[in-house]
Amino acid sequence: GAGVSQTPSNKVTEKGKYVELRCDPISGHTALYWYRQSLGQGPEFLIYFQGTGAADDSGLPNDRFFAVRPEGSVSTLKIQRTERGDSAVYLCASSSTSGGGTDTQYFGPGTRLTVL
Amino acid sequence: AQSVTQPDIHITVSEGASLELRCNYSYGATPYLFWYVQSPGQGLQLLLKYFSGDTLVQGIKGFEAEFKRSQSSFNLRKPSVHWSDAAEYFCAVGNQGGKLIFGQGTELSVKP
Repeated sequence: GAGVSQTPSNKVTEKGKYVELRCDPISGHTALYWYRQSLGQGPEFLIYFQGTGAADDSGLPNDRFFAVRPEGSVSTLKIQRTERGDSAVYLCASSSTSGGGTDTQYFGPGTRLTVL
Repeated sequence: AQSVTQPDIHITVSEGASLELRCNYSYGATPYLFWYVQSPGQGLQLLLKYFSGDTLVQGIKGFEAEFKRSQSSFNLRKPSVHWSDAAEYFCAVGNQGGKLIFGQGTELSVKP
């Protein structure tokens, strides 16, 4: 079956611009996660959705970052007033059940964001 | 606070040799532990996970890991490395909500 997909695969923007990154989870998966991976680092947790609601947004670095999942499927990560430090690969993952700690998270290929 | 340390940034082994990648974690309760592999241009793929029970966990591609509570470690092993195992390996600890905390990663190179 289809895995987690993310669009676009690459995004180049200018400092100060607004960007949206999209994640399509595996069909039927109720939990959805966003992570950010900077060069040479492991992924860093941003936010986790259970259904339509954000169950844990403790990893969002500041109020320029926002994510939605209005129908409990596709999610969009939105970044306002982008800064060069936002350049990273943004990863999305989904899991099949309650989003509990034992669930396997399936990762998408990521969106590489470059802020010039 | 939860944290994961992978002490080795880069390891090189010869094809056919054994492999051990180190992972140490910090977590207050019984941890949920994971190993993921990331190949160039590929997404993160789960190799194995540990929640409870037998402390030696078998995974895909011939990998195994051993949970040692006394050492706060979850080292990944493989008896004989193949050239296709060259990739970045990440250890992670998870909480009951599903949030994963990843280590910095260990890059594995395989010599022919």
